[in-house]
Amino acid sequence: EAGVVQSPRYKIIEKKQPVAFWCNPISGHNTLYWYLQNLGQGPELLIRYENEEAVDDSQLPKDRFSAERLKGVDSTLKIQPAELGDSAVYLCASSLFGENTEAFFGQGTRLTVV
Amino acid sequence: SQQGEEDPQALSIQEGENATMNCSYKTSINNLQWYRQNSGRGLVHLILIRSNEREKHSGRLRVTLDTSKKSSSLLITASRAADTASYFCAAYQTGANNLFFGTGTRLTVIP
Repeated sequence: EAGVVQSPRYKIIEKKQPVAFWCNPISGHNTLYWYLQNLGQGPELLIRYENEEAVDDSQLPKDRFSAERLKGVDSTLKIQPAELGDSAVYLCASSLFGENTEAFFGQGTRLTVV
Repeated sequence: SQQGEEDPQALSIQEGENATMNCSYKTSINNLQWYRQNSGRGLVHLILIRSNEREKHSGRLRVTLDTSKKSSSLLITASRAADTASYFCAAYQTGANNLFFGTGTRLTVIP
């Protein structure tokens, strides 16, 4: 069974440009997370979906970040416009619904803004 | 924002020794999870301990949880060079139903 798939793996863009990341979760997983991870730090939650509903986007900088999960399956995270400080690894994770379930992570997208 | 802190930030040991990492968190939780991350890779789930459990074992891993102190520890026994990685605790927050990660411990096992 395929794990969580993210693309692209790496992205280099100039500041002020838009960028999008794509995530395909494990089949049947209702819950989908987007995290941001800076070098040497732990993942920081950006948004959590239950099916197609964003149930917690309180940590998402809504002036430049947006996300969607159409049909409750794959998801896209967008930044427009990107800033130098957005350089980080963006991680997607999915899990079955419920409190005592583990999260499965994709390999992440490493974004470099120059 | 990080919801937990781990101690130490970095740990270097000889192969065969035990490694202990500690985690403190801030809110009430349903469970506490530990993950491992190799350099440049995604996170891999290691073990989950529920809030009503005090200790759990899985292979060479032993996890303890003290909800009164809002702390957990991960013990890796008989370490191997392949255990070299970053280890993160993650608190599943009651009510919010979100998984919040700590700052991580970078473990280096010297062959």
